[in-house]
Amino acid sequence: DGGITQSPKYLFRKEGQNVTLSCEQNLNHDAMYWYRQDPGQGLRLIYYSQIVNDFQKGDIAEGYSVSREKKESFPLTVTSAQKNPTAFYLCASERGAGYTFGSGTRLTVV
Amino acid sequence: KQEVTQIPAALSVPEGENLVLNCSFTDSAIYNLQWFRQDPGKGLTSLLLIQSSQREQTSGRLNASLDKSSGRSTLYIAASQPGDSATYLCAVDSGAGSYQLTFGKGTKLSVIP
Repeated sequence: DGGITQSPKYLFRKEGQNVTLSCEQNLNHDAMYWYRQDPGQGLRLIYYSQIVNDFQKGDIAEGYSVSREKKESFPLTVTSAQKNPTAFYLCASERGAGYTFGSGTRLTVV
Repeated sequence: KQEVTQIPAALSVPEGENLVLNCSFTDSAIYNLQWFRQDPGKGLTSLLLIQSSQREQTSGRLNASLDKSSGRSTLYIAASQPGDSATYLCAVDSGAGSYQLTFGKGTKLSVIP
């Protein structure tokens, strides 16, 4: 079945550590997105990519980085510059007919 | 900038009741509108997608309507079941190079057996 796979489901980060969240899709979608979800704030866009080797900042890109070396993959790195990274992270893809989301990664700072 | 509002923030109904969830948006120049369901700790599941040229979409017990001119969409759930308990999110795709969805904060639905 086609879909989006996010891993890991749970991730713990120590202070000053960089961590990478994985997002893989087999839907042959061109566009991919990373959203952050916090209680009471809804979903906010971190980064998006319309094509391979190109990506754009969203509303809250500071402290995050991405790459798009393959159409199927769009990993998100949460760097030590992100001071409040504890949140639920959602990856999505689309191709003009609605968005498909992954099951999310919950990141906690310990 | 597009803003999306969902009312009510939470709703509790007895099993079997028909119910309506509301979504309003400030800019009527939209590409499409999508309703999602989110269970606690899970990702988003797409329920219905309404293109800007459409007035409504139906899937099983769900019916979503769109009135672009008034900036409103409703999600109608018929004969509610306890399994319908979840948070329902409305998202507007403004297209035209915006490259992002604008989400409401959701309506948390509880269906009481």
